[in-house]
Amino acid sequence: QVTLKESGPVLVKPTETLTLTCTVSGFSLSNARMGVSWIRQPPGKALEWLAHIFSNDEKSYRTSLKTSLTISKDTSKSQVVLTMTNMDPVDTATYYCARTRIYSSSYYFDYWGQGTLVTVSS
Amino acid sequence: SYELTQPPSVSVSPGQTASITCSGDNLGDKSACWYQQKPGQSPVLVIYQDSKRPSGIPERFSGSNSGNTATLTISGTQAMDEADYYCQARDSSTVVFGGGTKLTVL
Repeated sequence: QVTLKESGPVLVKPTETLTLTCTVSGFSLSNARMGVSWIRQPPGKALEWLAHIFSNDEKSYRTSLKTSLTISKDTSKSQVVLTMTNMDPVDTATYYCARTRIYSSSYYFDYWGQGTLVTVSS
Repeated sequence: SYELTQPPSVSVSPGQTASITCSGDNLGDKSACWYQQKPGQSPVLVIYQDSKRPSGIPERFSGSNSGNTATLTISGTQAMDEADYYCQARDSSTVVFGGGTKLTVL
């Protein structure tokens, strides 16, 4: 059974750094053609992809946030970590991690975590 | 940057067919997928690689992708299908989501 679970602070102050952890089970972060992505959703708004990391350690970031995001993984702990610097109130959102499948020209997300709501406020 | 455009809302009567479109430049050359999200829940993959259904997704969900438009079709729409639907595609090494469509079954 594949599961993903996000953990991290529920409240951060403006300019602080957010660190979120995704703990996975039911698959390995070393599985070929798989990875983990972070996706967020501001309240009442659409999904926004943020970053992904694949089994070969290939990483990619949302262009507009590239300078503030870092994704990494610890395969032995089955964890993927996302850090986001210089948080702003507009970054208030539910943050999801999702298993990412790679097939030919496509990426898709077949399992999602429950999401964690992060509020940015002083 | 690449963009995917969806209608904000679509309405359908129970038992009828709902079609939700997703438009993007030469989207047919990419691979589109679709997610269903109900209030307070995480998204669920309903269509991947244009037209494939994951295990457990009802047969009434189908997809197509050609030219500049991908389409999610729900045949015999049920009240339980009322939700937000998002299309998604790969753009180079990044991912793009559409703005979402609220499907109302009335």
